[in-house]
Amino acid sequence: EAQVTQNPRYLITVTGKKLTVTCSQNMNHEYMSWYRQDPGLGLRQIYYSMNVEVTDKGDVPEGYKVSRKEKRNFPLILESPSPNQTSLYFCASSLYGSSYNEQFFGPGTRLTVL
Amino acid sequence: DAKTTQPNSMESNEEEPVHLPCNHSTISGTDYIHWYRQLPSQGPEYVIHGLTSNVNNRMASLAIAEDRKSSTLILHRATLRDAAVYYCIHRGVVSNQGGKLIFGQGTELSVKP
Repeated sequence: EAQVTQNPRYLITVTGKKLTVTCSQNMNHEYMSWYRQDPGLGLRQIYYSMNVEVTDKGDVPEGYKVSRKEKRNFPLILESPSPNQTSLYFCASSLYGSSYNEQFFGPGTRLTVL
Repeated sequence: DAKTTQPNSMESNEEEPVHLPCNHSTISGTDYIHWYRQLPSQGPEYVIHGLTSNVNNRMASLAIAEDRKSSTLILHRATLRDAAVYYCIHRGVVSNQGGKLIFGQGTELSVKP
């Protein structure tokens, strides 16, 4: 089944403790992206990757890092999480990052930073 | 940023058609119109997209106005599973920096049995 998977689905952590949220897709997509969703603010893009080893900042990249060493994986790294990073996170992928490609979203990771 | 306007909420009865409107008056000639929906506790899900002509797929139909400043997503027979927030997005060369989808507030569709 074609899908985007994220792990963990739920995470409660404390301020400053490094964490990684994994994202994997099995559709051989070149484009991958991370969004966060907050009440009243909607979904906002954090980082994106047009292809392996190519990443760039989205609208809200502060406090996050990403890497794209293989096509299928696009982990989101929070080196020193803070409470304002408590949010619902979605990974997405599409064949290319063009304006006509549909994006496939993962099930989401709900992160709470205490 | 690419801006769309949708009603905050709509109601429908089960097995009746639903027409979800969207205004996108700032759309440019190369922007595609996309619709996504987000069911409760799930990630957004692609529904349909088009450029100029009306489009149909297994999920819905998309009717695009001749001037392209508005569009309507049509669910032919609403089911309870169609209750979700529906997002209308237009994406183009200029508004598509980073391939991102710019989500507005969307329309929350409720379906009554």
